[in-house]
Amino acid sequence: NAGVTQTPKFRILKIGQSMTLQCAQDMNHNYMYWYRQDPGMGLKLIYYSVGAGITDKGEVPNGYNVSRSTTEDFPLRLELAAPSQTSVYFCASRADRGLSYNSPLHFGNGTRLTVT
Amino acid sequence: DQQVKQNSPSLSVQEGRISILNCDYTNSMFDYFLWYKKYPAEGPTFLISISSIKDKNEDGRFTVFLNKSAKHLSLHIVPSQPGDSAVYFCAAGRGTGTASKLTFGTGTRLQVTL
Repeated sequence: NAGVTQTPKFRILKIGQSMTLQCAQDMNHNYMYWYRQDPGMGLKLIYYSVGAGITDKGEVPNGYNVSRSTTEDFPLRLELAAPSQTSVYFCASRADRGLSYNSPLHFGNGTRLTVT
Repeated sequence: DQQVKQNSPSLSVQEGRISILNCDYTNSMFDYFLWYKKYPAEGPTFLISISSIKDKNEDGRFTVFLNKSAKHLSLHIVPSQPGDSAVYFCAAGRGTGTASKLTFGTGTRLQVTL
């Protein structure tokens, strides 16, 4: 059972380049999320999705785009990379059953992105 | 505006002793709280949660205490083991049937020494 899989694990981008961070889950979870973690900071929500075809902005969406064409996949797109986007990116999913605290987030292992 | 705060960036505890990790929050609308544990180069993993209608939840060596009047929660690990060495994040959420967006604290790095 793979859970949440993120690719790539590491990436270095030049300013202005674009890339897509991939995220896939095999747990049939409807809810998926993208977080970023900067050094010494907590995780900040970038975008989230409550099901295929439905996405919404989180706390720090500027500079990013997402799509959700299938239940399994939730890619995050950076169009014009900036040094401020240097961070570790985590994708997460959760089942949408029951009370939220009984259905916690499952995280991938992250993508470490450096923009120079 | 840091709504969830973990004021201790690090904590060192001897093996076998109790580890107490603290978390404060400012938003009284939060109605559930979770603790996540994170090892280097891995994603956070869920540890334990508590609803705001409770003041304590226990799971094996891990107990979370919630003091709503003080807007404070704590995670107790007894006894602490070397494998508990990790970064611990406190997180808070509100509402049910929503997207359950969580607000995370900045983390506390726990080191359990022999």
